[in-house]
Amino acid sequence: GQQVMQIPQYQHVQEGEDFTTYCNSSTTLSNIQWYKQRPGGHPVFLIQLVKSGEVKKQKRLTFQFGEAKKNSSLHITATQTTDVGTYFCAGPNSGYALNFGKGTSLLVTP
Amino acid sequence: EAQVTQNPRYLITVTGKKLTVTCSQNMNHEYMSWYRQDPGLGLRQIYYSMNVEVTDKGDVPEGYKVSRKEKRNFPLILESPSPNQTSLYFCASSGTSGSHEQFFGPGTRLTVL
Repeated sequence: GQQVMQIPQYQHVQEGEDFTTYCNSSTTLSNIQWYKQRPGGHPVFLIQLVKSGEVKKQKRLTFQFGEAKKNSSLHITATQTTDVGTYFCAGPNSGYALNFGKGTSLLVTP
Repeated sequence: EAQVTQNPRYLITVTGKKLTVTCSQNMNHEYMSWYRQDPGLGLRQIYYSMNVEVTDKGDVPEGYKVSRKEKRNFPLILESPSPNQTSLYFCASSGTSGSHEQFFGPGTRLTVL
């Protein structure tokens, strides 16, 4: 079945440094979603990418969907302590189910 | 306020004692799902439901049951809990139009002794 893999598993950066997490699927995806989970919280939807090669920005966050629609990335410019959390990518499974990657946990040191 | 609620938020129980975790959403969503989250394993789907009376197994359904008698509610039932079901559980819902983003409940931390 479809698998979604994310790297790295953990990332520790100094505040102000950039951060990138990568997501790869074993199959072509119709779309990909990204979620953020703060420590002690629940996953919260960030964005959905649908088109091949699509790039979307949310302030310091840049999301990309690969040309082949099998990979995606999330890049944070100049991290802040508020960026701490785990970032998940998710690809559609059967019906409306989502297949989540294992997530990248980001720690930002002031 | 649009939300997904879960109860209880925390539960410590003993092996074999049946329990139910409730989930309710007020967004009239057709799709609802249960996940468990364990360190290093991410979010794994237990069961999902496309609509009332329609449920299906996810990736890790063993030891769990669900029901969908009403659109807003999707309880998770552990008939005979075991220690390997100690985990953080999330309920989620989504609509069937638009982006299909999933709205998650606050989570239920379950410990089975």
